[in-house]
Amino acid sequence: GAVVSQHPSRVICKSGTSVKIECRSLDFQATTMFWYRQFPKKSLMLMATSNEGSKATYEQGVEKDKFLINHASLTLSTLTVTSAHPEDSSFYICSAGGAGEPYNEQFFGPGTRLTVL
Amino acid sequence: AQTVTQSQPEMSVQEAETVTLSCTYDTSESDYYLFWYKQPPSRQMILVIRQEAYKQQNATENRFSVNFQKAAKSFSLKISDSQLGDAAMYFCALTGRDDKIIFGKGTRLHILP
Repeated sequence: GAVVSQHPSRVICKSGTSVKIECRSLDFQATTMFWYRQFPKKSLMLMATSNEGSKATYEQGVEKDKFLINHASLTLSTLTVTSAHPEDSSFYICSAGGAGEPYNEQFFGPGTRLTVL
Repeated sequence: AQTVTQSQPEMSVQEAETVTLSCTYDTSESDYYLFWYKQPPSRQMILVIRQEAYKQQNATENRFSVNFQKAAKSFSLKISDSQLGDAAMYFCALTGRDDKIIFGKGTRLHILP
C-alpha cells in the first residue's frame, strides 16, 4: 500500500523557536496533502489543505502566519510552526492523497509529537 | 458544513463478543464517502472500512461491517468476534468532493479478556 512518512517523529523545542515538520509520500505522487492536529485523547482537527505548486488553504481559526505550509513537490509538504509556544504542543498528522478514482484516498503519516518548553 | 457525531466516548466488549459503534453525520453533498478509522496506541491512523454513499450494499471487511442508513444519515460499525487487538480509538469520518476528511470525536473501545 501507499506509504506516507513524517519527520521528525517527535521534537522538543524552546518557546520562541520555529520547528519544521516534513510529510513525504514515499511511493506515490500526492496532488493534495492535509495537515491535522490532535490533542491528547481528542479527535483530529483539520488545519489546512496543501496543494502542490499553490498556496495552502487554511481552516477557519487556524493562523496562517503561525503555521506555514509549503508543498514544493508532489512528494513533500512541510509544516513550520513559527515562534512556537507551549500551547502549540500537540500531535501533528499529515495525510497525502493521490489521484485515484472514484476518489482520492488519503494515506496517513505516523504523526509528529511536538513539545514546546 | 459537514459534521460527524459519535455519541459513545467509550465502550467495552468481552473478547469474542460483538460490539456496535454508532455514528451519525450531516452533509449537503450528494457524493460522499464514509469511513471508520482505527487509531491504536501507536497513533497511526488505520482505515478499517469504507462506504461509498451511492452504494446501497453495506460494506464488509472480514470481522468488520457497517450498517449504512442513508436517509437517517447513520453509519454504524459492527465488530464481530472481538479480539484484544481491536482495542483502540475508533473514528467515524466523512469526505466529499474536496477530499477533506472530517472526523468524529471518537469512541475508545476496550476489549475485556
